[in-house]
This record gives sequence, structure tokens and C-alpha cells, in this order.
Amino acid sequence: DTGVSQNPRHKITKRGQNVTFRCDPISEHNRLYWYRQTLGQGPEFLTYFQNEAQLEKSRLLSDRFSAERPKGSFSTLEIQRTEQGDSAMYLCASSLVTPGGYTFGSGTRLTVV
Amino acid sequence: AQTVTQSQPEMSVQEAETVTLSCTYDTSESDYYLFWYKQPPSRQMILVIRQEAYKQQNATENRFSVNFQKAAKSFSLKISDSQLGDAAMYFCAYRSGGDNNDMRFGAGTRLTVKP
Repeated sequence: DTGVSQNPRHKITKRGQNVTFRCDPISEHNRLYWYRQTLGQGPEFLTYFQNEAQLEKSRLLSDRFSAERPKGSFSTLEIQRTEQGDSAMYLCASSLVTPGGYTFGSGTRLTVV
Repeated sequence: AQTVTQSQPEMSVQEAETVTLSCTYDTSESDYYLFWYKQPPSRQMILVIRQEAYKQQNATENRFSVNFQKAAKSFSLKISDSQLGDAAMYFCAYRSGGDNNDMRFGAGTRLTVKP
């Protein structure tokens, strides 16, 4: 297992376009998290899944954002009608149910021009 | 809601010296976990050390140790014998011990190590 994998690493898109990011967690981890990190700040929680169920969504996750985790494996995060304020690093992490540290991916850096 | 505060945006340490990074948190829960993560430039977040709130003994991982003061809600990280590779952003994080337990992060401290 090579850890948490995120694709693409970088994405540049024009304002108004839709983008989709993918996260492949560690296979035995049943929890998967999405965070957003802007420059010089700590990660902000967006949403998380336990298996295929989306258990919590932050108020930061506007209706332009949607996340899925079909079959409880990989997850996708889609942003519709992107805005310049969406420019950030989008981090994915996974963990076991029992509280412990997360394993993070390398992130997808989104730039909206 | 739980909040995590890191009051030092930047810190600097001489190579081989010791540095302490501060973190305070606010919670009404008794069951929780605290973490320090390291994020090198353009690289992924790495778990440095973890502390369970029910444990009185401070966690230690090689050159990294914490000073956990539960009553004061303080959780500082001490890095001994600092190395150039320790230069990074360090984030303090809180996770509830309940079932719905996403992690909350502080704003981070940028550590510079001077040769």
C-alpha cells in the first residue's frame, strides 16, 4: 500500500468551469476526509465518509461542492461553477474508525483564473 | 465547537538547539486526542506525535516530545537537537473521542532551522 493518493496534483481552471478531484485512501481505512487549505493556514474540514456514507459536511461546503465515495473505496470531490475563492489546496486523508492520526495525501492544488 | 490556537506564526531555532512550539485548545469534552503534524514545503502532512487526553504521561517520539497540560488546555511540542530537515509548518490538531470525530487544526507555526 503506497498511502493516500490524490489526483491530479495540480489543476488550473477557468472561472465557471467544473472540476473533479480523486482520492484513493489506504485500503483498510474505512474513514475518508476532505480538507481545504489556503496559503499560510491550517486545513479546514469539508466533509468525511465512513465507508460509503457521508456523515458530516461543513458549512464551508456550499451547494457547488459535492463529494461521493461509491462502494466505500475511492472518493471524488467536485466543484461546480468554480470561483476564484475556490483556489486552494484540497487535502484528502483516511483513517480507521478508532480515533487516531490521519494519513494525508499530497493534495490537489487548484488555481482558478 | 472545539478551537485550536497556535499563537506563534513563525519560530526560528539554531541547528542542534531545542525549540518549543505552543498550542492551546478549547473544549468541553473529556475524551479527545491531540496531534502535531509536520508539513514540509510542497509536501504532504506527516504525523509527528499523538497524545490521548486520558493519559497523564507526555508522549515522546525520539527528538519530539509534548508537554500536555490538560487543566490549562495546553499542548506544546518540544523539538530537541533540531535538524535542518525539521524546517516545516507545524500544525496542532484536536480530535474528539466520540464517533463523529473529524480533526480540527490550528493555523500553524512556520519553523526555520538555521545552520
